[in-house]
Amino acid sequence: SSELTQDPAVSVALGQTVRITCQGDSLRSYYASWYQQKPGQAPVLVIYGKNNRPSGIPDRFSGSSSGNTASLTITGAQAEDEADYYCNSRDSSGNQVFGTGTKVTVL
Amino acid sequence: QVQLQESGPGLVKPSETLSLTCTVSGGSVSSGSYYWSWIRQPPGKGLEWIGYIYYSGSTNYNPSLKSRVTISVDTSKNQFSLKLSSVTAADTAVYYCARATVTAVLFDYWGQGTLVTVSS
Repeated sequence: SSELTQDPAVSVALGQTVRITCQGDSLRSYYASWYQQKPGQAPVLVIYGKNNRPSGIPDRFSGSSSGNTASLTITGAQAEDEADYYCNSRDSSGNQVFGTGTKVTVL
Repeated sequence: QVQLQESGPGLVKPSETLSLTCTVSGGSVSSGSYYWSWIRQPPGKGLEWIGYIYYSGSTNYNPSLKSRVTISVDTSKNQFSLKLSSVTAADTAVYYCARATVTAVLFDYWGQGTLVTVSS
């Protein structure tokens, strides 16, 4: 199966750490990338590969992977991190798949 | 700075064909380093990859949409396009065009998105 499953919602206190997970069989073979989407805006790439951040993405965002699970961690969450987060990977045919999405609320 | 801009009708009738164009500036669709992609998001729902095209014209489509999707590229206009046939209300969504790197297939630049509503 090429599905990627995420928890629908998580919350985190301001300044604390939150981890968002993404599960799927394809993650045993391919890295995930992670996208942040705020209301009414296009998604923005925040993490890709083993643990790479595009220019301009704060270093409080980090990524990791183990087995069939990829994780995005926000260390010291800020109010501006409140958003939907989607993982993305590929299957063996080169088809792209997005995760189901996680809504992060910063309390 | 690479910019992508979607354009096309915001309203399409059921059973007709949805047609959108993405105009690229600050970069070239003729680059061999990128795939040019379409992604959609129904209102209040998640992202769905539709497909992508390489400058050579080779394509890869989401298997669930493959029978209805055509993506093409016009290197002379630095544009690529999406056609989705036989649309229904389930195809109502914000449609994004995006650039994906060939090496890792990550979507590094996105258009702002355009809402297409399927309704009579």
